[in-house]
Amino acid sequence: EVQLVESGGGLVQPGGSLRLSCAASGFTVSSNYMSWVRQAPGKGLEWVSVIYTGGSAYYPDSVKGRFTISRDNSKNTLYLQMNSLRAEDTAVYYCARGSYPSGYYDYWGQGTLVTVSS
Amino acid sequence: SYVLTQPPSVSVAPGQTARITCGGNNIGSKSVHWYQQKPGQAPVLVVYDDSDRPSGIPERFSGSNSGNTATLTISRVEAGDEADYYCQMWDSSSDHYVFGTGTKVTVL
Repeated sequence: EVQLVESGGGLVQPGGSLRLSCAASGFTVSSNYMSWVRQAPGKGLEWVSVIYTGGSAYYPDSVKGRFTISRDNSKNTLYLQMNSLRAEDTAVYYCARGSYPSGYYDYWGQGTLVTVSS
Repeated sequence: SYVLTQPPSVSVAPGQTARITCGGNNIGSKSVHWYQQKPGQAPVLVVYDDSDRPSGIPERFSGSNSGNTATLTISRVEAGDEADYYCQMWDSSSDHYVFGTGTKVTVL
């Protein structure tokens, strides 16, 4: 059974850093492309990052240069390093497994809440 | 960047048909996917590649895509279908993934 379990969320001050983790089971993270998607309170879904099987990564302009997606194949875990956090980064962060080539997400974690506030 | 536009809300009576649109420039040339999200829960894929259904999704959920509009159709709507629905696609020109603005479906 495919499972994704996020952790690492919490309260952080503006300008601070946080690293989110997404532990996967039932499949191999390095054999799939994986993404982070966030949802601000009362708002819609926003794609945050993707990492492909070859290791290349992409980001929207809203987080480019501040967020870094990575994975640890030995732990079958996906990460999101978030630096220079802003109030507008406050959201529930989901990890999701992507399906190539058409780009849909077939499995999602339950999400972890990140709150950026002083 | 590519934009996907959805109506904020759709209301439908039980047993009737709900249609949710997703507008984008020449979206008919791309693969569109749809997610259902209930309060406090993660999104669930209900239609992928315009019109395919994952296992476990009722046949009442169907999709189409042509021209500048993709559509998710929910037939014989039930109270349990009340949720937010999002369309999504992959923009190959930028290697970015785009979500629609979301539609809240209310069952009257």
